[in-house]
Amino acid sequence: NAGVMQNPRHLVRRRGQEARLRCSPMKGHSHVYWYRQLPEEGLKFMVYLQKENIIDESGMPKERFSAEFPKEGPSILRIQQVVRGDSAAYFCASSPGLESSYEQYFGPGTRLTVT
Amino acid sequence: AQSVAQPEDQVNVAEGNPLTVKCTYSVSGNPYLFWYVQYPNRGLQFLLKYITGDNLVKGSYGFEAEFNKSQTSFHLKKPSALVSDSALYFCAVSRQTGRRALTFGSGTRLQVQP
Repeated sequence: NAGVMQNPRHLVRRRGQEARLRCSPMKGHSHVYWYRQLPEEGLKFMVYLQKENIIDESGMPKERFSAEFPKEGPSILRIQQVVRGDSAAYFCASSPGLESSYEQYFGPGTRLTVT
Repeated sequence: AQSVAQPEDQVNVAEGNPLTVKCTYSVSGNPYLFWYVQYPNRGLQFLLKYITGDNLVKGSYGFEAEFNKSQTSFHLKKPSALVSDSALYFCAVSRQTGRRALTFGSGTRLQVQP
């Protein structure tokens, strides 16, 4: 029973390049969340998606960041023209979306380093 | 807006002693409350949640938490700490209706000394 999977685990990009982070939710989960964690800080919500729909993107920076969760395949968080301030750990979480179950299950994270 | 405060950056406790990690929250309406634990270079592991019902919630690894509505608190407790409990603990809140995104506290590092 695989948990939430994220890849790559570590990603190094030069300033100006694009970063693509992938997340496969737990089997049977249809809701995906992305969070960002800066060093020694808590997680900050970025975006909440269901299949083919963005439900809440209130935490997403207005520029350079986008997310999708297609009908088939993993959820993708895309960061264009990365800057040093984008260096962080990006965590994906999933939940079944049932009314009786609100806890989110987290993946191991992708640690993005921008040089 | 919702928020979570974890007033202690670090908690030190001797192995075998009881531990408490504090959390207070602010949210409009009734809250859903959660505790997660993070080990170095790992993702967050779910420990327990309060949705409704009994104020004392039991979770994984012998942890429990007490929901106190009047004090808007949800402190994490364990009767007897283990060295292996040493990790970073996060309290989180979401609203019962509407937005499901979790708002996290800044985390409390628990250090259990042998």
